[in-house]
This record gives sequence, C-alpha cells and structure tokens, in this order.
Amino acid sequence: QVQLVESGGGVVQPGRSLRLSCVGSGFNFSNYGMHWIRQAPGKGLEWVGVMSYDGSKKYYADSVKGRFTISRDNSRNTLFLEVNPLRPEDTAVYFCATASEVDVWGKGTTVTVSS
Amino acid sequence: SDELTQPPSVSVSPGQTARITCSGQTLSNQYAYWYQQKLGRAPVVIIYKDTQRPPGIPDRFSGSSSGTTVTLTISEAQAEDEADYYCQSPASSGTHVFGTGTRLTVL
Repeated sequence: QVQLVESGGGVVQPGRSLRLSCVGSGFNFSNYGMHWIRQAPGKGLEWVGVMSYDGSKKYYADSVKGRFTISRDNSRNTLFLEVNPLRPEDTAVYFCATASEVDVWGKGTTVTVSS
Repeated sequence: SDELTQPPSVSVSPGQTARITCSGQTLSNQYAYWYQQKLGRAPVVIIYKDTQRPPGIPDRFSGSSSGTTVTLTISEAQAEDEADYYCQSPASSGTHVFGTGTRLTVL
C-alpha cells in the first residue's frame, strides 16, 4: 500500500545540523511533488516547504527560509530535509506528505532541540 | 497576507451539526483542503478542492466555499469525530498555509 516513512529525528543541541529522510513506497515516488510539515508540541500544523516531482522547484515558508533545505533522490524514493543551524523553536514532529489532491502522510519523526 | 483563521474550538452534541469555518484572502482564488487529526496521529484529508470527499470518508462530512471563507460541516456528529480540524490552501508564490486549527468536542 501507499506509505511514507520519516526518520532521522532525535535530540540535538542548538546550533547543530540535522537531516531528516522520508522514504516512499507503493506508488511512483518520482511522479509526485512532496511537502514537509511540522507540528510543535501542543501546537497546530505548520507548512515548511515543498519540492516538485523532479526537484526543479522548491518553496519554503518564510519562517524557515535560509536554514531549511529540501532535496530528493528519486532513485531511492527518498525526500530529505536538512536543518542548519537548529534552534529550540524547531522542536516538533516533522511529517512528509505527497503533494496531491488526496495526499498521503507519514507518521512523522520527532526532533527535539535542547542542550 | 497568507493567513487562514479558524475558531479555536467548536462544541456540539451527538447527532447535531457542527460547522467549522476557515477565512483568508487566499481562499478567494485557491481551493481549500480539510484535515482531521486525532491525538497522536498524522492528519488525514477529509475534504479536497473545497467540496470533494475522498473514498472512505463518511458522507456526513461536507465542504462549502463562499468568497474568502470555506466551511466544513459535520452532520449528525458522532463521538468518534472528536479531533482537531485544519484547513489548508495554496498561498502566494508556490507556498502553502494551514489554518490555525479547531478542536471539535462532541458531548
């Protein structure tokens, strides 16, 4: 079945970098744009950014522009999100989702930024 | 600006109709999507392109649009419908935005 699995979260010190991954299966990953969305503890959903199916276009929320970088490797059905440098306010569950009318979401990976 | 505003909370008795609104300038020329998120779970799309319902979503969920406001209507609300609900829409220059979220209580 169609599935997205995020990984790479953990506890990281402020100022360090982190790369999250999202692996797709059960569908033609290279045909779909992909979003990253995050949710801070007890807060609402925040759209982070999106990359086109071929990686030629990417857009970011103003709140993360300059520190977050989205990339993808279609040969490995994988989407990436690199954050550098990390700030305490980046603490959140990070979800990836397909950029489609009826989108599919992963279960998320938790990032905690703390010294 | 690219903001979508929702009421923080809506309460309804079982069997009654709940309506959740979402307002923002981007909705005047972009479709809205509605998500249901239960505690500790990933969001699930329940309405897309303002009014369309994905397969498997009960027909008690419906969406409508008027100007800069979209509305999610839950008819004959059930206890299992208790959740957080978010609208979402494409915004300016390729970006997207989520609404502020609404907690639905059925009691």
